[in-house]
Amino acid sequence: QVQLVESGGGLVKPGGSLRLSCAASGFSLSDYYMSWIRQVSGKGLEWVSYSSSSGSAIYYADSVKGRFTISRDNAKNSLTLQMNSLRAEDTAVYYCARCTNNAIGAFDIWGQGTMVAVSS
Amino acid sequence: EIVMTQSPATLSVSPGERATLSCRASQSVSNDLAWYQQKPGQSPRLLIYGASTRATGLPARFSGSGSGTEFTLTITSLQSEDFAVYYCQQYNDWPPRFTFGQGTKLEI
Repeated sequence: QVQLVESGGGLVKPGGSLRLSCAASGFSLSDYYMSWIRQVSGKGLEWVSYSSSSGSAIYYADSVKGRFTISRDNAKNSLTLQMNSLRAEDTAVYYCARCTNNAIGAFDIWGQGTMVAVSS
Repeated sequence: EIVMTQSPATLSVSPGERATLSCRASQSVSNDLAWYQQKPGQSPRLLIYGASTRATGLPARFSGSGSGTEFTLTITSLQSEDFAVYYCQQYNDWPPRFTFGQGTKLEI
């Protein structure tokens, strides 16, 4: 069935790095725009990054610009978020999400999320 | 950045009743507005996009309306599985700066 599965979260010290992966199944990643979205425990949702279907257009929230890098391997049906210079305020559950074809910017498929904790 | 404000923060209703949730944008987002439902321990689920288009398989008791800066999600004949947190999100801002409301908790 159509699903997204994130991995790579964990505990890291401030200033450290993590690489999150998102494996897509049941559909071809190359047909869809994709995003990473995060949620602080018990709080709201924050959009983090966005990649066009080919990966040629990439955007970031101001809060992560210059520190995070989104990339994709359409041949492997995989989306990645490289997170560098991590801060305590980056602690959150990170979701990868698929944009609908009818409304690029609305997210119709979400992964289960992977937890990132930044603490010394 | 477009700020999305939801009201009320918490809405207490009974099963079988009607719930009306509001979302306001700090500037016009046309009809580029989505609604999501999130239950504890789960990922968000898309309900509505384009302000009023139901996602595939969504029961007809869910409906969205509005345009510009004022939006409403209405749930009629509330069922036990509808009690959750609901978020609105705009996707009009371009280059993308998608923003979510802070959520409305629908409780019994």
